[in-house]
Amino acid sequence: EAEVAQSPRYKITEKSQAVAFWCDPISGHATLYWYRQILGQGPELLVQFQDESVVDDSQLPKDRFSAERLKGVDSTLKIQPAELGDSAMYLCASSSGQPGHYEQYFGPGTRLTVT
Amino acid sequence: QQQVKQSPQSLIVQKGGISIINCAYENTAFDYFPWYQQFPGKGPALLIAIRPDVSEKKEGRFTISFNKSAKQFSLHIMDSQPGDSATYFCAASKGGGFKTIFGAGTRLFVKA
Repeated sequence: EAEVAQSPRYKITEKSQAVAFWCDPISGHATLYWYRQILGQGPELLVQFQDESVVDDSQLPKDRFSAERLKGVDSTLKIQPAELGDSAMYLCASSSGQPGHYEQYFGPGTRLTVT
Repeated sequence: QQQVKQSPQSLIVQKGGISIINCAYENTAFDYFPWYQQFPGKGPALLIAIRPDVSEKKEGRFTISFNKSAKQFSLHIMDSQPGDSATYFCAASKGGGFKTIFGAGTRLFVKA
């Protein structure tokens, strides 16, 4: 069964350092999402791509976060510099992007701890 | 208007019992309502979803009840099992690739 891949699974970094997360969506999925999930809360959308284009980054803290999906396949989310409040699970999800097919499939996430 | 309110925050059910989790939304433009199940250390997994043109959808032991006029929907887990112990999230979106809003989650524990 096809899955969304993410790496690393865990990352510990000191504040002010840079961190990067990678996501490989299910093959053929045009839509890719990055979510942040704080412990005990639901996922919150950071950025959404349709192919290589950003369609929603309204909740992305653009002074320190950046995301790219250069060839419309895999994607990287970067934080620079990391702050203590960035400690969370970062989830990637993908969906086919086909009309009527809204199902999102999530990866295992990257657990970030900023010290 | 973008919020999805979920209750209860936590739930303890006896094995074989019925687990019920409720959600309410405000934005009448939402037209897709999924439920996700998340185990510790894992990403959420889609469990079941409903569109507002039907009032109920059943898949195995899982049923969504949808009340469009009240802007509420709920998840019923029949014959709850210890393996169902997880966190459940309701969500809502306008579909068509628009933003999905998640509820805060319900931590379910099924006692053996």
